[in-house]
Amino acid sequence: DQQVKQNSPSLSVQEGRISILNCDYTNSMFDYFLWYKKYPAEGPTFLISISSIKDKNEDGRFTVFLNKSAKHLSLHIVPSQPGDSAVYFCAPHGYNFNKFYFGSGTKLNVKP
Amino acid sequence: DSGVTQTPKHLITATGQRVTLRCSPRSGDLSVYWYQQSLDQGLQFLIQYYNGEERAKGNILERFSAQQFPDLHSELNLSSLELGDSALYFCASSVSENQPQHFGDGTRLSIL
Repeated sequence: DQQVKQNSPSLSVQEGRISILNCDYTNSMFDYFLWYKKYPAEGPTFLISISSIKDKNEDGRFTVFLNKSAKHLSLHIVPSQPGDSAVYFCAPHGYNFNKFYFGSGTKLNVKP
Repeated sequence: DSGVTQTPKHLITATGQRVTLRCSPRSGDLSVYWYQQSLDQGLQFLIQYYNGEERAKGNILERFSAQQFPDLHSELNLSSLELGDSALYFCASSVSENQPQHFGDGTRLSIL
């Protein structure tokens, strides 16, 4: 039962360029979408979220876009920095049901 | 520092044994979640407690059980351990179910 898919296991970008991480989901009941970042030997940390009533949410260098009709969301990081190198998980959530899903993650490497 | 404390950090044991993982949530958080991460895969939701009551169940095996105590700390009990149970086990907490989760640094369980 793969409710969430992050089809790119890894991504490599040059410092200063844009990083785009993608996430697809199948359940239309999801209405709140979160991104977490994880460094090695640490637990995930919350990065940014978006509600289904919006199609864009911005926080500094990080922007999340939501396309509900396509059941797709993406995380944009501009400009990318070496400290952004980490694994990024998308985690959709539904207010009306209690299951908590995480994608398999995308490992981002930002090269200096 | 997320404020979520997990002990122990590492645990090595043998097949057939039983272990207990402990989690102290962030101060003020009533909800506790347990996740399993195997071999660079995504996080698999196991179980959630809210203020002492079981609230949601994910892909938790019958050999596994959990509880949340009156002081809000939680324990995850794993019994009749198998080699496939080797994984990182994360605990997370949040103020409520619709808020971002704060993760501990995990307990790495190795079954020999």
